[in-house]
Amino acid sequence: RKEVEQDPGPFNVPEGATVAFNCTYSNSASQSFFWYRQDCRKEPKLLMSVYSSGNEDGRFTAQLNRASQYISLLIRDSKLSDSATYLCVVNYSGGSNYKLTFGKGTLLTVNP
Amino acid sequence: GAGVSQSPSNKVTEKGKDVELRCDPISGHTALYWYRQRLGQGLEFLIYFQGNSAPDKSGLPSDRFSAERTGESVSTLTIQRTQQEDSAVYLCASSFPGGNQPQHFGDGTRLSIL
Repeated sequence: RKEVEQDPGPFNVPEGATVAFNCTYSNSASQSFFWYRQDCRKEPKLLMSVYSSGNEDGRFTAQLNRASQYISLLIRDSKLSDSATYLCVVNYSGGSNYKLTFGKGTLLTVNP
Repeated sequence: GAGVSQSPSNKVTEKGKDVELRCDPISGHTALYWYRQRLGQGLEFLIYFQGNSAPDKSGLPSDRFSAERTGESVSTLTIQRTQQEDSAVYLCASSFPGGNQPQHFGDGTRLSIL
């Protein structure tokens, strides 16, 4: 099983749609979780951290289910500018060693 | 404010040559990471520094790859005797220490081996 697994997509949605991405991780000792976005030929940028109780930032909602080792990202009222690859990121900390493991990403295209 | 700076932005070199890639992290970020991203692929972890030490080198693909960091600041990634499969974007990221700290990425160095 891959350490961090995402549906690669692509997801093609119209403007205004709601879209959800899922991610599963294999290491139950993983301690922190993030969603990054990466535009074409650009560097990844932090979108939001994912907290155990779930968290929301404007149109974006992230949820974590530790029992199922599952993370989700919901985008409401999608905009053209949301078109990007969304990376699920999991951190495993062992002692002083912090290692972020990135999923391969889910490609989203929002169409006019 | 100043973000993570990487140089060169682009590097084209012949197979068999050595290359050196540079990363200047955000001031105060003691953790520094190198990743590789091949075209159309996900990020591949290479090495992690905490201060000037590298507790995790597990991602370095071969002994042709090495990295160092000095002054808890600048890091260089060196690839010796480059091969065509080394062609990729090499991304550097830095963060404050701690597993819950998000990483901030540089623009990357696009390396092409002819």
